[in-house]
Amino acid sequence: AQSVAQPEDQVNVAEGNPLTVKCTYSVSGNPYLFWYVQYPNRGLQFLLKYITGDNLVKGSYGFEAEFNKSQTSFHLKKPSALVSDSALYFCAVRRPSGYSTLTFGKGTMLLVSP
Amino acid sequence: EAGVAQSPRYKIIEKRQSVAFWCNPISGHATLYWYQQILGQGPKLLIQFQNNGVVDDSQLPKDRFSAERLKGVDSTLKIQPAKLEDSAVYLCASSSPYSGEEKLFFGSGTQLSVL
Repeated sequence: AQSVAQPEDQVNVAEGNPLTVKCTYSVSGNPYLFWYVQYPNRGLQFLLKYITGDNLVKGSYGFEAEFNKSQTSFHLKKPSALVSDSALYFCAVRRPSGYSTLTFGKGTMLLVSP
Repeated sequence: EAGVAQSPRYKIIEKRQSVAFWCNPISGHATLYWYQQILGQGPKLLIQFQNNGVVDDSQLPKDRFSAERLKGVDSTLKIQPAKLEDSAVYLCASSSPYSGEEKLFFGSGTQLSVL
């Protein structure tokens, strides 16, 4: 079975400061990892993915994520937060081989204060 | 490019009533998904279609939920009869090998309240 843990229900950060949203995963074999963002009254939007290669992946809106195999983590980061980054962030995982569904974490609310 | 369209946007029903949701995926996307998102939880896959065939419906409560994708384009998800615990946002998503099957495009969802 595959699973995702997002240990923080909410992350608060001041505008201009760096932000980190944490994610750990459990899956057999090498994982495919994703981050999605959900703005109020909107569907989820794809931010970035890790399939293979460089452990640091860059995505939309200046976000990046670092894959750490030994810690089974895939934390989302941004060097300088914007108020407009305030939203609900979901980490997701799936197995690369064969058929596998995308399993989401419970989400982390990011609040960026002016 | 038009996004994934869903309707209705909101629905309020009483328990034991029936309800149906509609989804129109992005043109050309062969894979269509229905997810259930309960408040405070991440989306949970209910059913996945590849064209008009079902790929995975292992988490669909088949005693009350049904879904179809006639002609491999639009899809409907039905609940009959509804229970209080079905209150959730129902998200439709689609994907294509040309944009990367791992990248799902989501609609805005249908928020269902069962009273």
